[in-house]
Amino acid sequence: EVQLVESGGGLVQPGGSLRLSCAASGFTVSSNYMSWVRQAPGKGLEWVSVIYSGGSTYYADSVKGRFTISRDNSKNTLYLQMNSLRAEDTAVYYCARGGGYRQKIDYWGQGTLVTVSS
Amino acid sequence: DIQMTQSPSTLSASVGDRVTITCRASQSISSWLAWYQQKPGKAPKLLIYKASSLESGVPSRFSGSGSGTEFTLTISSLQPDDFATYYCQQYNSYSLFTFGPGTKVDIK
Repeated sequence: EVQLVESGGGLVQPGGSLRLSCAASGFTVSSNYMSWVRQAPGKGLEWVSVIYSGGSTYYADSVKGRFTISRDNSKNTLYLQMNSLRAEDTAVYYCARGGGYRQKIDYWGQGTLVTVSS
Repeated sequence: DIQMTQSPSTLSASVGDRVTITCRASQSISSWLAWYQQKPGKAPKLLIYKASSLESGVPSRFSGSGSGTEFTLTISSLQPDDFATYYCQQYNSYSLFTFGPGTKVDIK
């Protein structure tokens, strides 16, 4: 059974950093496209980043230069390092399998809430 | 960048109604479009991929159509479990994947 479990969310001050983790089971992270999608309170879905099976990474303009997506193959885990956080980064962050070029997102994690506030 | 729009933004309907939601892309995305259903406090759920393919386990009352820039999601007979928000997403680009703004289906 495919499962994605996010962790690492919480309250952080503006300008601070946070690293989100997404532990996968039932499939191999390194063999799949993996994405992060976020949803601000009361708002719609916003794609954040993707890492391809070959290792290429892409980011939304809103997070480019501040966020870094990566994976640990030995732990079968996806990460999102978030630096220079802003109030507008406050959202539930979802880890997802798929989401790359011509690849549907077929599994989602339960989400982890990141709140950026002083 | 490819922009996605959805209409209507809110739809009030009754159980048993036929419901249609439209999604438009700012440029052709061929058939690389997915539809997701999201309920409050829950992760989105994939309903339709590649514009018209039904995801495994999804009831057959859901269907999708379209190609190029205009797409529709149809629920043939609305059920109580279908009251939710629906999002389209294009995945034709290599580096940018855009969601539509969402359509909330609520009880009339």
